[in-house]
Amino acid sequence: EDQVTQSPEALRLQEGESSSLNCSYTVSGLRGLFWYRQDPGKGPEFLFTLYSAGEEKEKERLKATLTKKESFLHITAPKPEDSATYLCAVDAGSYIPTFGRGTSLIVHP
Amino acid sequence: NAGVTQTPKFQVLKTGQSMTLQCAQDMNHEYMSWYRQDPGMGLRLIHYSVGAGITDQGEVPNGYNVSRSTTEDFPLRLLSAAPSQTSVYFCASSYGANQPQHFGDGTRLSIL
Repeated sequence: EDQVTQSPEALRLQEGESSSLNCSYTVSGLRGLFWYRQDPGKGPEFLFTLYSAGEEKEKERLKATLTKKESFLHITAPKPEDSATYLCAVDAGSYIPTFGRGTSLIVHP
Repeated sequence: NAGVTQTPKFQVLKTGQSMTLQCAQDMNHEYMSWYRQDPGMGLRLIHYSVGAGITDQGEVPNGYNVSRSTTEDFPLRLLSAAPSQTSVYFCASSYGANQPQHFGDGTRLSIL
């Protein structure tokens, strides 16, 4: 059965302190891995799609990378406005992707 | 362009009542899905649809019904509300397989 595990569950950073969030997966035949950001009281907002190992995508202070077993969301010099829950989802051909439980990120000024 | 619209935003029900959560999208997406989000559990798939007239069960379908008569609308029906169905419900849509989903802002449902 497909499984998506995100770590850590929660992360507290000081403004400017770079770090990485992890999404590991055990699927047969990855077709796509998605990263989303979710703010309190809102629905998830799409950030990136990665389709194959070695692929990287960047947006402002965020960079997503993909290997055959995991994906990392690197946050460089974060700001308080980067505080949110970050979700990853894996598509292995079952119509709808499977989500991990998310990482709650708090960036202190 | 409204994206994915969910109504109502908040609802309180009594045990045993029924209700329908509405979801509409204006992006001509084929795929639509319903999730519930509970603390510590992440997003769990309730039902999904890959096109008008086609629906299927997700991970937690019990107590819920769906239908898809048009491409735009995908309502979720609670047949007889139970306190265990207290949750935040999200509707999402996408162009198809391997494509990112667009989410509504959720319906916060409390069952007393």
